[in-house]
Parts: sequence; structure tokens; C-alpha cells
Amino acid sequence: DQQVKQNSPSLSVQEGRISILNCDYTNSMFDYFLWYKKYPAEGPTFLISISSIKDKNEDGRFTVFLNKSAKHLSLHIVPSQPGDSAVYFCASVGSNFGNEKLTFGTGTRLTIIP
Amino acid sequence: DGGITQSPKYLFRKEGQNVTLSCEQNLNHDAMYWYRQDPGQGLRLIYYSQIVNDFQKGDIAEGYSVSREKKESFPLTVTSAQKNPTAFYLCASSFTDLSGELFFGEGSRLTVL
Repeated sequence: DQQVKQNSPSLSVQEGRISILNCDYTNSMFDYFLWYKKYPAEGPTFLISISSIKDKNEDGRFTVFLNKSAKHLSLHIVPSQPGDSAVYFCASVGSNFGNEKLTFGTGTRLTIIP
Repeated sequence: DGGITQSPKYLFRKEGQNVTLSCEQNLNHDAMYWYRQDPGQGLRLIYYSQIVNDFQKGDIAEGYSVSREKKESFPLTVTSAQKNPTAFYLCASSFTDLSGELFFGEGSRLTVL
């Protein structure tokens, strides 16, 4: 029973265009959400997060949107660059819990086409 | 440079053998974690530790063991009792406050022959 779902295993986007990665969750207790980025043969690195008190958080080219009623979050990358090619994991947790309760999605492989 | 180091990067093991994966961090983090990644699945928590000399089972602890004798070190032993040990193993560390920001090592790929 996957509580965090990334339904698109892969996504290809032209360089300079917008990349949109999606994530759905089912657990109503989740109120803190994160995106991690992973290059091949490396560990994931934290990218951006959002709390449920917000519906948008922006950091440079990266913006995360949260739709609580739909239990859906998305990561927008604008403009997309070749270095953005990686696997992106979303993760969720309830703020009453610790980091050990982070639940990860299965990942989306983003390929930026030059 | 501060960071988290896993070794070995690649490891082959015969069935029936135990193997230990090393994880060391110099980030002064109290909490450390072991995850397993399989194709088509998210990261699954094996064990975690929030303080020296204490650790807790995660979601898939069966067939694994850990120790936390030093703050910097959190080795994982994959025992012969683990039914399907071939996987990519990731170690991570963090502060104990909920930030969700884990710092990961580069991973260890274990293949059982």
C-alpha cells in the first residue's frame, strides 16, 4: 500500500522548457513534503520542501505546489537545464513524527533534451 | 569536507554469508538511517538510530542488524537470514528535529551470487 505515489516513472523535456513532476499522497496525516534529487551512483540530495500551511514554495528555478484537497504536489523546474537530468523523489511526513517516518515515492526519471 | 561516506561501493557475496556495510558521517548529526532501494520502489527504512547505543527497527528490519557505538558510525550487517539481499543500500544522517532534510551517502550495491 503505497502512501506516496509518483505515477510517471519517466519524463523527457526539451531544454529551456518547463518540467513538471507530480506526486500524490493518501495519508491525511502528512503535512510536510519534500523533493529529493538523485544522480546515478550518488545518494539523493534534498531539493525543496513545503509545509501544509503553504500552497507554494519557490527556490530559484524550482517551485513546489501543494494542493491539499487533492492530496497532490508538483515540482516545477523553469527553465529546465541539462544538469536537471536526474531521478526525483517526493517524500512526505506528518509533523508530529520524526524524520524516520519519511515516506518516499518511487521516483521519476527526468531527462532534459538539449 | 563534511559528509557521509559509505563503503564499499560495490560488494558481492555468496549465499549464506553475512556482510557488513560501513557508514561514517562527520556532520555531527545525532540521527542515522539505513534505507534499501529496489527497482520500482521508494526508499524503505531498515533501521535508524537517534542516539549512540540506541537504534530502532524500521519497516523492513528482518535479516539485518546494526550497531551504534559511536556517533559518527552506523554499520549495517546483512545476514544470511535476509531472503532477498541483492539491492542498493543507502545510509543517511540528520539532526533529530523534523526537517525532513536527510544527508545521504553515495550508496552500496550488494549483489548476492
